[in-house]
Amino acid sequence: GAGVSQSPSNKVTEKGKDVELRCDPISGHTALYWYRQSLGQGLEFLIYFQGNSAPDKSGLPSDRFSAERTGGSVSTLTIQRTQQEDSAVYLCASSLTGGLNQPQHFGDGTRLSIL
Amino acid sequence: AQSVAQPEDQVNVAEGNPLTVKCTYSVSGNPYLFWYVQYPNRGLQFLLKYITGDNLVKGSYGFEAEFNKSQTSFHLKKPSALVSDSALYFCAVRDPNSGYSTLTFGKGTMLLVSP
Repeated sequence: GAGVSQSPSNKVTEKGKDVELRCDPISGHTALYWYRQSLGQGLEFLIYFQGNSAPDKSGLPSDRFSAERTGGSVSTLTIQRTQQEDSAVYLCASSLTGGLNQPQHFGDGTRLSIL
Repeated sequence: AQSVAQPEDQVNVAEGNPLTVKCTYSVSGNPYLFWYVQYPNRGLQFLLKYITGDNLVKGSYGFEAEFNKSQTSFHLKKPSALVSDSALYFCAVRDPNSGYSTLTFGKGTMLLVSP
């Protein structure tokens, strides 16, 4: 079956612009995660959605970052007034449930470059 | 708090030789441990996990990992490396008693297998 799909695969934008990144999780997966991967920094957790529960936003680096998950499926990560330090690969993952023993399945990411 | 360390930025091994990629962790209770692999311009792929039970865990592509509680380690191993194993490897941990909802990843180890 289809895996986690992310779009766009690459995004180049000017400093100060807003960007929206999309994630379409595996069908039936109730848990969805966003991470940021910067060179040499590993993966940084951003936000976690589980079913209809309030999202865990504890990893969002500033109030310029926000995310939604509509209908328990597709998620959009929005970055407002982008800065050069926002340049990174943004990865989305989903898992069947939010169970702590569940492996996460990753999309191929969106490579964001801020000029 | 939960944390994981991958002490080697890069591991070099010749094809056909055994390989080990090291991982140590820190949690307050019993850990859930995971290994992922990332190929260039791709998302992370799940390799294997330790939740409970046998300390030696077998996973995809001939990889295995050994959980060692006394040394707080979860090293990834393969008896005979392939050139196609060259990739970036991430260890990740969850403390099921922490209330923290997601994985903490190490910074990754680049594995280079030479022909």
